[in-house]
Amino acid sequence: AQSVTQLDSQVPVFEEAPVELRCNYSSSVSVYLFWYVQYPNQGLQLLLKYLSGSTLVESINGFEAEFNKSQTSFHLRKPSVHISDTAEYFCAVRPLGGYNKLIFGAGTRLAVHP
Amino acid sequence: DAGVIQSPRHEVTEMGQEVTLRCKPISGHDYLFWYRQTMMRGLELLIYFNNNVPIDDSGMPEDRFSAKMPNASFSTLKIQPSEPRDSAVYFCASSRQGADEQYFGPGTRLTVT
Repeated sequence: AQSVTQLDSQVPVFEEAPVELRCNYSSSVSVYLFWYVQYPNQGLQLLLKYLSGSTLVESINGFEAEFNKSQTSFHLRKPSVHISDTAEYFCAVRPLGGYNKLIFGAGTRLAVHP
Repeated sequence: DAGVIQSPRHEVTEMGQEVTLRCKPISGHDYLFWYRQTMMRGLELLIYFNNNVPIDDSGMPEDRFSAKMPNASFSTLKIQPSEPRDSAVYFCASSRQGADEQYFGPGTRLTVT
């Protein structure tokens, strides 16, 4: 079985400051890793994903995440946040093979203040 | 493509009433997922289908909840009878076989009074 732990339920940060949202997972098999973002009153959208290859993956809006197998982590970072980044962020895993079932973490609410 | 379509977007009903939530997945997608999101419990997977067949319904809270997928372009989630603790946002998502991304609908906000 798999599980995902997002260590911070809320992260307040000032605009243009760096931010890191932490995600750790547990799995007995290899997994794919994902970050989804949910803006207020919307559904979830894929932000970035790690399937294989380079352990550092990037999104189009400046976020990046690094897969660390030894620490079973997939932390999300951005060097300078904007007000528009205010949202809830979900880390998720999916075991290789089998059905397309995602296991989500509890979410981290990022609040960017001016 | 129009994306995943859910209806209604908002539903307010009284305790004891039947509630039916509807979802139209993206055309060509083989998987359909129903999730529930609340402040207390976060995002929960209720049930998912592959090629219209229910694969795992272990997340369905109790017998008051049922889901069907009569064809590849339509699914329903029914609650009968509804209770105030069922108040939540219900999301539908779909994905292609072998693909990695799930596409979420805008959700249905259910309020049971």
